[in-house]
Amino acid sequence: DIVMTQTPLSSPVTLGQPASISCRSSQSLVHSDGNTYFSWLQQRPGQPPRLLIYKISNRFSGVPDRFSGSGAGTDFTLKISRVEAEDVGVYYCMQATQFPRTFGQGTKLEIK
Amino acid sequence: EVQLLESGGGLVQPGGSLRLSCAASGFTFSSFAMSWVRQAPGKGLEWISTIVSGGANTFYADSVKGRFTISRDNSKNTLYLQMNSLGGDDTAVYYCARGWSSFDYWGQGTLVTVSS
Repeated sequence: DIVMTQTPLSSPVTLGQPASISCRSSQSLVHSDGNTYFSWLQQRPGQPPRLLIYKISNRFSGVPDRFSGSGAGTDFTLKISRVEAEDVGVYYCMQATQFPRTFGQGTKLEIK
Repeated sequence: EVQLLESGGGLVQPGGSLRLSCAASGFTFSSFAMSWVRQAPGKGLEWISTIVSGGANTFYADSVKGRFTISRDNSKNTLYLQMNSLGGDDTAVYYCARGWSSFDYWGQGTLVTVSS
């Protein structure tokens, strides 16, 4: 199974300041079709998860442009350019290059 | 508007069974793979199972293989999860999600509690 490891596990951030979350996979996520099936999800308190980013860097419909994804192979990053209060929650990375699909442990974003 | 609505959760005794349903609307259900993901209380996300759009192929996590069965009825726009031989480790909120390579829409979840 592909293990997804996120850092940090907790991230206190000041409103208006940037935030960054990293995710590393135990093996390359490049699929045989050439795509990299890596995504980021956000889970606000008491809510179901919500897709933010798919295939490394593509923002899903309705996701603000302050969220951006980057990376390749085994190392990926989610950046929030200016954190807003509504960004509080837990962020998960996920790989869908192979079965079983696996998630990172989650990174809790909180406001200082 | 895409909507996914889970139902069927509840309290079940260890060793018991439960069937979850996920009613889909707002998109052509038969064109999309569908998945189940669960979240134990206070824990992270765990993928459980995926079924292709036509229903012919299914995939399972080792933790549920042989006990859970995913299925779908495209005529009813509904996804199912039959859960047998339930144990305490199966206590979780169960979400249905649309997609194969990314899960772009999620339901609100249904809580399954396994306890005597």
